[in-house]
Amino acid sequence: GQNIDQPTEMTATEGAIVQINCTYQTSGFNGLFWYQQHAGEAPTFLSYNVLDGLEEKGRFSSFLSRSKGYSYLLLKELQMKDSASYLCAVSDSNYQLIWGAGTKLIIKP
Amino acid sequence: IAGITQAPTSQILAAGRRMTLRCTQDMRHNAMYWYRQDLGLGLRLIHYSNTAGTTGKGEVPDGYSVSRANTDDFPLTLASAVPSQTSVYFCASSAVAASADTQYFGPGTRLTVL
Repeated sequence: GQNIDQPTEMTATEGAIVQINCTYQTSGFNGLFWYQQHAGEAPTFLSYNVLDGLEEKGRFSSFLSRSKGYSYLLLKELQMKDSASYLCAVSDSNYQLIWGAGTKLIIKP
Repeated sequence: IAGITQAPTSQILAAGRRMTLRCTQDMRHNAMYWYRQDLGLGLRLIHYSNTAGTTGKGEVPDGYSVSRANTDDFPLTLASAVPSQTSVYFCASSAVAASADTQYFGPGTRLTVL
C-alpha cells in the first residue's frame, strides 16, 4: 500500500528553527509537495521537490532524498503566523497526490 | 479575483437527502479534483477530471458522482447522504492534467450529515 508518515504535532518557540519530517512509500514517484493549512482554511502550496537536495525559499526550505523516501520542511525565524498544519504529499505513478495526515505546528511566544 | 469558489460554505443535511456541492474556477485550468478531509487522515481523492467532458474515480468514490460539462465547473453530488459523509470537502484545480502540477484549493465546504 501507499503510505505517508509525518509527526502529528510539534511545538516550537517564536524565532527558533523547526524541522518537520515526512517519510513515504508509494507506487512510483513524481515529486513531493509541502502545503500549509491554517485552521479552517484551504491548503496553500509551499514547495515542490522532484530531485534530491535542498530547495530554499525565504524562511522555508524543503529537502528530498529519493533513495531514503524522506523529505523535511525547515522553517526558520519562526513567527506566530506560522502556527498551522503542514501537509506532505507525493505524486505517485498515476500523478495522483497521496497525502500525509499533516503535522500541526504550535508556536509559543 | 482569480481562483476557486465553492458553495455552500457549510451545510447540515438529513441522512438520505440529495446534495450538490458546487465548485467553480476562473483560471482556465484543465484538471479539477474533489477531496475530503477528515480529522487524523490525509486528504483523500474522491473524483477528478483531466479535462472538460471526462471524469475519473479517486480513492473514495462510493456514494459520490461528478460531472464536467465545461472547463470552469465541477459539481460533486451525494445521491443519498449518509453520516459517514460528514467531512470537509475541498475542490482543487491544476493547470496541467496527468502531471505533477501544483494544485490550488478552494475554501472548502463543511458538510454535516445527521
